[in-house]
Amino acid sequence: AQSVTQLDSHVSVSEGTPVLLRCNYSSSYSPSLFWYVQHPNKGLQLLLKYTSAATLVKGINGFEAEFKKSETSFHLTKPSAHMSDAAEYFCVVSGSGGGADGLTFGKGTHLIIQP
Amino acid sequence: GAVVSQHPSRVICKSGTSVKIECRSLDFQATTMFWYRQFPKQSLMLMATSNEGSKATYEQGVEKDKFLINHASLTLSTLTVTSAHPEDSSFYICSAETGRVGYNEQFFGPGTRLTVL
Repeated sequence: AQSVTQLDSHVSVSEGTPVLLRCNYSSSYSPSLFWYVQHPNKGLQLLLKYTSAATLVKGINGFEAEFKKSETSFHLTKPSAHMSDAAEYFCVVSGSGGGADGLTFGKGTHLIIQP
Repeated sequence: GAVVSQHPSRVICKSGTSVKIECRSLDFQATTMFWYRQFPKQSLMLMATSNEGSKATYEQGVEKDKFLINHASLTLSTLTVTSAHPEDSSFYICSAETGRVGYNEQFFGPGTRLTVL
């Protein structure tokens, strides 16, 4: 069984300041972990993924996430927020390597960027 | 990059009718496709996994007779909501996986918003 918890339903930051979206996971296997972003009226887009290689994963648009097994966390960060980052972000876990497995989604974090 | 399309993007139907939603992988062959459901302001929930040429695997609590899934080819999976009711109103999203060894990324369609009156 696997699950993922996104600790904040809403995060509000000012443009140009750092972003931190928190995610903790639970998995019986060595998990694959993902962050997806969903802009209004658009499909899901993969930001980055961890699949047991480097623990610090760099993604698109300046986002990165660090896999910390001891803390069962996979927090998403960005050094400087941009207005276009405003969206819904989902932390996702897939068990047993992620192949042909459905994904388990967190409840999402709504990121608000203040001008 | 890999593109997944869904059709229609939005559908409104009367209670009791059936609605078919198509999910296509446009530039790759998808051995496995997934169907998700997203309620307003909530996360996605996996409904079923479909493999080309075989019966879909449904998640617990999902009625297989109500949500018919057909994966007839490597580029097309369909979800039919039979005898739809207002509680079936939701956002349905499909995803497709290439199935290449070591490449486990799923590509998502833009979603279909179903409103049952």
